[in-house]
Amino acid sequence: AQKITQTQPGMFVQEKEAVTLDCTYDTSDQSYGLFWYKQPSSGEMIFLIYQGSYDEQNATEGRYSLNFQKARKSANLVISASQLGDSAMYFCAMRDGGNNRLAFGKGNQVVVIP
Amino acid sequence: DVKVTQSSRYLVKRTGEKVFLECVQDMDHENMFWYRQDPGLGLRLIYFSYDVKMKEKGDIPEGYSVSREKKERFSLILESASTNQTSMYLCASSLVLGIHQPQHFGDGTRLSIL
Repeated sequence: AQKITQTQPGMFVQEKEAVTLDCTYDTSDQSYGLFWYKQPSSGEMIFLIYQGSYDEQNATEGRYSLNFQKARKSANLVISASQLGDSAMYFCAMRDGGNNRLAFGKGNQVVVIP
Repeated sequence: DVKVTQSSRYLVKRTGEKVFLECVQDMDHENMFWYRQDPGLGLRLIYFSYDVKMKEKGDIPEGYSVSREKKERFSLILESASTNQTSMYLCASSLVLGIHQPQHFGDGTRLSIL
């Protein structure tokens, strides 16, 4: 069963605008961690932000924030004030159940236009 | 900052060759991982290691082996390369076991088997 779902088609975003990337997850565990990664066309996978299932506050890291809705099992990434360098694939991932493995979604493509 | 270094960004090999992909991390991380990434299939875990000389199969270990003789180095070996192993290979490391630990990735190796 797919644990992480990212279903948005590729997105075009105007520079300086905010963009929200959707991620829903599936787990029966109470304790889990959610991660977002960025992969530019050059290929490297860059860790952006982390949210723990017991964290009461939404995670923030610079221009990145996470809209965590536990009851809905969603962990959407918000990028504020988009820059041209934000053009990339974005992957949502989860680790649960004492599992050392990360389950990745299929990714969201974002293109920032001037 | 965590630094995960993969030996090659691009590699071209021939069918039947034995291929070595090397990965080194400089943060004394316990765990290291090898993934392959293919369009439409996302990231798939090949092998991981949670300690020196310890390894565990991931989701797609067939045709691959790994070696971890030193804590900082994790090698992926294609015993007899085949064209269906043409892919992007990503190495990652994490500090310890635990659902809250992010994995940090290298720049990736684009491997072509001719």
